[in-house]
Amino acid sequence: DTGVSQNPRHKITKRGQNVTFRCDPISEHNRLYWYRQTLGQGPEFLTYFQNEAQLEKSRLLSDRFSAERPKGSFSTLEIQRTEQGDSAMYLCASSLVSRRDSSLLYGYTFGSGTRLTVV
Amino acid sequence: KQEVTQIPAALSVPEGENLVLNCSFTDSAIYNLQWFRQDPGKGLTSLLLIQSSQREQTSGRLNASLDKSSGRSTLYIAASQPGDSATYLCAVMGRDDKIIFGKGTRLHILP
Repeated sequence: DTGVSQNPRHKITKRGQNVTFRCDPISEHNRLYWYRQTLGQGPEFLTYFQNEAQLEKSRLLSDRFSAERPKGSFSTLEIQRTEQGDSAMYLCASSLVSRRDSSLLYGYTFGSGTRLTVV
Repeated sequence: KQEVTQIPAALSVPEGENLVLNCSFTDSAIYNLQWFRQDPGKGLTSLLLIQSSQREQTSGRLNASLDKSSGRSTLYIAASQPGDSATYLCAVMGRDDKIIFGKGTRLHILP
């Protein structure tokens, strides 16, 4: 297992176009998180999944954003009708939590991110 | 609402010095605290994870402490090297299972 993999690494798109990012977590991890990071800021929470269930969505995740994790494996984050304000680094992380009490068994592992530039 | 603050925002020190990065959080009801390193334009690399029941963790030249009751953590870097130059992020996980990050400390080690 090579860790958390995100594709593509970079994406440049024109305003108004749709984009989709993919995240492949560590295979045995049951939690998957999406974060967004703009220049000079810490990452901000967008949404997270436990297995295939999306448990929470941030208010930052407008109706133009949608995330899925079919079969509890890889996840996709789609942005429709992109705007210049969507330009950021999109980070994915995975972790393993106990099925008994949801305690964190291992720390979060982040991918290298997808840098989106909307022109 | 949990807020995480990191001080200083930026730090430059000569190579070889020991240094301390500070992190504070407003809600002490956390499950764990994690320190990450981020190089420019890159993703996050986990450095140390401290569970809420622990007081500190060590890895090589790094030592992280946690005082949950006062809402503080420190990351101590011994004998700094130019390769330590990066942004260091502190993140806490609360009862809502979300990780909340600080804005980071940009560290520059002068050769």
